[in-house]
Amino acid sequence: GQSLEQPSEVTAVEGAIVQINCTYQTSGFYGLSWYQQHDGGAPTFLSYNGLDGLEETGRFSSFLSRSDSYGYLLLQELQMKDSASYFCAVNAGNMLTFGGGTRLMVKP
Amino acid sequence: DAGVIQSPRHEVTEMGQEVTLRCKPISGHDYLFWYRQTMMRGLELLIYFNNNVPIDDSGMPEDRFSAKMPNASFSTLKIQPSEPRDSAVYFCASSKLTSNRYWGTDTQYFGPGTRLTVL
Repeated sequence: GQSLEQPSEVTAVEGAIVQINCTYQTSGFYGLSWYQQHDGGAPTFLSYNGLDGLEETGRFSSFLSRSDSYGYLLLQELQMKDSASYFCAVNAGNMLTFGGGTRLMVKP
Repeated sequence: DAGVIQSPRHEVTEMGQEVTLRCKPISGHDYLFWYRQTMMRGLELLIYFNNNVPIDDSGMPEDRFSAKMPNASFSTLKIQPSEPRDSAVYFCASSKLTSNRYWGTDTQYFGPGTRLTVL
């Protein structure tokens, strides 16, 4: 089976940098994905790591260490619109197993 | 592309009634997923299809739940009879198989969801 752990809540101020960690235990692993979900909205894809290391997409970066079963999402230059829930998800074959989500609150 | 389309967006029903949720995936996508999201249990995969064939339904809570995909452009999730504990947001998502699994993202594209309330 799969299990993922991520913090339930993180608070940061506008313009700051925040890191959301994710640890996982899994059987069958292709990579780690990150999804964003605003209140009342649907999850939307942010980033994917199939290999160890850092992937950068604009203000967002994601990191994976397979040996540590660990990844993180890094959000830079935080904006108010970044207030949302962020989910890590293990890609195993065709399926995604989602973590419980981290609610990020960005304050002015 | 219009994205994944779900209907209805909101459904309020009484316990014991049948509920049918509908999904139209993105054209050309090979996979279709049904998820349920609640505060208590988070985002759970219920069932997924590949080329209209159910592949894994181990997440379907019980026999009251059933899902079909009669063709590549339509899927239904049915609950009968419905119970208050079925109240949740139900998402449909679709994805397209990438040629190189190791590099591919197999990004899932989610529909807007159906908010189901069973009284």
